[in-house]
This record gives sequence, structure tokens and C-alpha cells, in this order.
Amino acid sequence: DGGITQSPKYLFRKEGQNVTLSCEQNLNHDAMYWYRQDPGQGLRLIYYSQIVNDFQKGDIAEGYSVSREKKESFPLTVTSAQKNPTAFYLCASSDRGLRETQYFGPGTRLLVL
Amino acid sequence: GESVGLHLPTLSVQEGDNSIINCAYSNSASDYFIWYKQESGKGPQFIIDIRSNMDKRQGQRVTVLLNKTVKHLSLQIAATQPGDSAVYFCAENMASGGSYIPTFGRGTSLIVHP
Repeated sequence: DGGITQSPKYLFRKEGQNVTLSCEQNLNHDAMYWYRQDPGQGLRLIYYSQIVNDFQKGDIAEGYSVSREKKESFPLTVTSAQKNPTAFYLCASSDRGLRETQYFGPGTRLLVL
Repeated sequence: GESVGLHLPTLSVQEGDNSIINCAYSNSASDYFIWYKQESGKGPQFIIDIRSNMDKRQGQRVTVLLNKTVKHLSLQIAATQPGDSAVYFCAENMASGGSYIPTFGRGTSLIVHP
């Protein structure tokens, strides 16, 4: 099956802890994205990457970090600097650059203990 | 209907009715539009797209209409079923520094009553 996978489905973070959300795709897509979704809200762009070893900040990058060492993987780290991390995190990928349709993973719900 | 940036509206319909979900976009330079369906606790799923050189596109039970004059997009769902209950998002793609970054509306919640 081709697609995008995210893990874990639920993640709990303690105060002051960094946590990493996994996103993997086997669609051979060049571009990958991370979004944050709060209840009743739209999607806000955290980071995106158009190519391996390159990524750009989105609208709400503060308190987050990413890496793109492999084409199929785009992990997101929520650092202790992110003071309100509780949200639903969605990873997406697209082919042939940012003009094309984005395909989303199932999401990771992050909760703070 | 919804506008990018406004509160989440809700549309309630009876099973078998036709549904129309609206979206107002902000950038006249946007030239690619997508509708997504998001079920509770899941990621958005692609439904249908349209480019700005078209004003109508049909899929299976869904039709997207684009009115560039008033910057308005709509999604029509024929013979709505309970499985259509979800939040529906429109997205517009616009250029930003040479790259196209999609902007998503907050969504419309569709509730289908059996």
C-alpha cells in the first residue's frame, strides 16, 4: 500500500520534554509538510520541505524543529520552547512541488501531562 | 458557508438531500483549489480539485464550482449519505516567493441525519 504514515497516534509530553513525531511516505513525493490543527480550526503550517536536506519555516515554526535526511521521512520535534503543544499534528506530502495536491497522514494527537 | 479565517460553520441535511458547502477565498492570484474531507480524528482526504481556467468540475457525486469574479468556491454533494458527515475544507494555492503554499479554510461541518 502506498501512503503516508504517522506515529504514534497519541503522544504524551511532560513539561520540559522534547518529543518527536514520525512521518514516513512511500509515494516518492518530493515535498513534505507539517501542520498543526487546533479544535474547530483550520490547518496552520509549521514547516515544509521541497527537497532532501532543505526545509523552510511556515507560519508557526517557533518551538518546533524538523529534519529531512531522507526523501521518505520528515520527523517533527516539539521542543520545550513550545508552550502550548496540545494539538492534532498532520503530516502531508505532494508531488512535483508545492502546486500539487497534498496527501495527508492519519495524524498524531499530542497531549501534555 | 465559510471564509478562510472565520469560525467553523455547520450544515445539517437529511439523508438523500443535496448539500452545498461554500468557501470564499482571499487571493485573486490563487489558481489551484482543492476540497478535502476530514472525518473525526483522521487526516484530511482529497475529494476534488479545480484549476482557475475552469469554472466547474465533476466527480462521483461531487461537483466543484469556481467563480473567480467573486472569489467563491463551492462543493456540491448529491444524494448526501450519513457517511458524508465530516468537516470539509477548501484550500487555495498561491505563490509565495516563487513557491506555492496552500492556505486552508477552517472548514464546514456537515451533519447528515438518517
